[in-house]
Amino acid sequence: AQKVTQTQTSISVMEKTTVTMDCVYETQDSSYFLFWYKQTASGEIVFLIRQDSYKKENATVGHYSLNFQKPKSSIGLIITATQIEDSAVYFCAMREGLSGSWQLIFGSGTQLTVMP
Amino acid sequence: ETAVFQTPNYHVTQVGNEVSFNCKQTLGHDTMYWYKQDSKKLLKIMFSYNNKQLIVNETVPRRFSPQSSDKAHLNLRIKSVEPEDSAVYLCASRDWGINQDTQYFGPGTRLLVL
Repeated sequence: AQKVTQTQTSISVMEKTTVTMDCVYETQDSSYFLFWYKQTASGEIVFLIRQDSYKKENATVGHYSLNFQKPKSSIGLIITATQIEDSAVYFCAMREGLSGSWQLIFGSGTQLTVMP
Repeated sequence: ETAVFQTPNYHVTQVGNEVSFNCKQTLGHDTMYWYKQDSKKLLKIMFSYNNKQLIVNETVPRRFSPQSSDKAHLNLRIKSVEPEDSAVYLCASRDWGINQDTQYFGPGTRLLVL
């Protein structure tokens, strides 16, 4: 069975700095898909970025980027120039199941607090 | 922009009652999901459903059942709630196309069982 693990329960950083959140995963699949989602204080869950395992380039979207280390089964999320509004819970997730009927399995989340 | 809608936002009920939560998506997606988020923020899949196939997480108790009238709606019914059902229930839908299988989540329904 697939598994996603986030060991950092909470991180605090100063505004405008860079933060990295860790995530490791377990899978038997040769091709797989990894995601990061953000849950705001209001409870809204928003998709941030994804990495397809067959792509060698690390994904980047805005001030989010990924550090994909396939040999280590690791997919870290990097947020540069953090802002107060980046404070949220960040979830790492992996796609599980067949193409027509897949779902996400989530890590336990990392609470990020950005301080002024 | 909200495109996955859930009602109610919050529901309080007593043990043994039946509850039903609604979910509607206006994105034209063909697959919808229900997730449960517990008090520790752990998110777990309960059901995935498209117009062809229902997939149930084997750990979901039988008192939970999804109900769909069309591909834009997926409701969740709990036949006889128990205290451990207190949680946030999140509906999501999946984008097949150019956004590469991204799931979009609704705002959630918070259930409190007394």
